[in-house]
Amino acid sequence: EVQLVESGGGLVQPGGSLRLSCAASGFTFSSYWMSWVRQAPGKGLEWVANIKQDGSEKYYVDSVKGRFTISRDNAKNSLYLQMNSLRAEDTAVYYCARDVGSGWPEYFQHWGQGTLVTVSS
Amino acid sequence: EIVLTQSPATLSLSPGERATLSCRASQSVSSYLAWYQQKPGQAPRLLIYDASNRATGIPARFSGSGSGTDFTLTISSLEPEDFAVYYCQQRSNWPPRFTFGPGTKVDIK
Repeated sequence: EVQLVESGGGLVQPGGSLRLSCAASGFTFSSYWMSWVRQAPGKGLEWVANIKQDGSEKYYVDSVKGRFTISRDNAKNSLYLQMNSLRAEDTAVYYCARDVGSGWPEYFQHWGQGTLVTVSS
Repeated sequence: EIVLTQSPATLSLSPGERATLSCRASQSVSSYLAWYQQKPGQAPRLLIYDASNRATGIPARFSGSGSGTDFTLTISSLEPEDFAVYYCQQRSNWPPRFTFGPGTKVDIK
């Protein structure tokens, strides 16, 4: 059974940093693109970033470029999101998501339960 | 950047009724469109991918259609567990980025 478990969320002040983690199990982690998707309270879904199987390609939504960094450790079956210079508008539940197939990224078949990040003074 | 628009914003129906949800793209996405269901406090669930293919374990009452810019998710006969928010999602060819529609809430009439 595919499992994705996020951790690392919490309350942080504007301008602060936070590192999210996602522990994956039940599939060959190194074979899949992985993504972070977020959802602000009461709002819709927003894709944040994704990373290729070997970590050689990374893409970001414009609003987080230069502030967030996605990474992975295939030996530890883990995905990360380093978030710097956090803003109030980054407040959201952050989901780790796995693509539907092991080829080109297309859709999100598996999701974690999410971790809440709150940016507030 | 491709923008997805969903209509209606809210759909009020009774169990057993047919639900028809629309998703429109600002430019053609071919058939690269998915639909997700999300219930309160839960992660989204993939229902339909490539516009018309049901994901694993999704009941046959869910169907998707469309191509280009206009897409439809149909729930043939609403079950109590189907009352939720539904999102469409597309992915760009290059670079591999994704956008979601704003969602349609299906609530009980």
